[in-house]
Amino acid sequence: EPEVTQTPSHQVTQMGQEVILRCVPISNHLYFYWYRQILGQKVEFLVSFYNNEISEKSEIFDDQFSVERPDGSNFTLKIRSTKLEDSAMYFCASSERRTGELFFGEGSRLTVL
Amino acid sequence: QKEVEQDPGPLSVPEGAIVSLNCTYSNSAFQYFMWYRQYSRKGPELLMYTYSSGNKEDGRFTAQVDKSSKYISLFIRDSQPSDSATYLCAVSRQLTFGSGTQLTVLP
Repeated sequence: EPEVTQTPSHQVTQMGQEVILRCVPISNHLYFYWYRQILGQKVEFLVSFYNNEISEKSEIFDDQFSVERPDGSNFTLKIRSTKLEDSAMYFCASSERRTGELFFGEGSRLTVL
Repeated sequence: QKEVEQDPGPLSVPEGAIVSLNCTYSNSAFQYFMWYRQYSRKGPELLMYTYSSGNKEDGRFTAQVDKSSKYISLFIRDSQPSDSATYLCAVSRQLTFGSGTQLTVLP
């Protein structure tokens, strides 16, 4: 069964360092998303991406964040200068249609020290 | 008012029980309603997807949407220990999640 894959599964970084989280969405999907879940809190929407541009973004997705689809398969989330409060699970998701079901990856755990 | 509010739980039931999980939402314009299951330290897994009002059944799971009262429910029949997880309701296209209800089914 097709699935969304994310790497790394866990990354530990120092505050102020740049981090890139990678995702391979399901191959025929056209809409891509990043969500964040701080430990013990709800899953929060960060950004949606379609046709090589951001469709929507939340207040969380400030100038420190960027997304990119560098090739036909990968979808990345970059955090330019990490802060302690960026520590969370980051989930990538994809869907076939704008109103379709979202399928999530297993997540990348980011720990900022 | 929060966009989506979910009964906080935690909820603990004996094996075989019927489980009822509920959420309310604030924006009457929402048309898409979903239930996700999340095991500890894993990504959310789609269980049920409903457009607009009505019921949808899939095996032991039934999702209900009542748009007049802005209330969504997930029923699990004959609950199993493997159903123990956090259940998240979500609304709208880009998904606004509830806080999740942690369910434990005791053998």
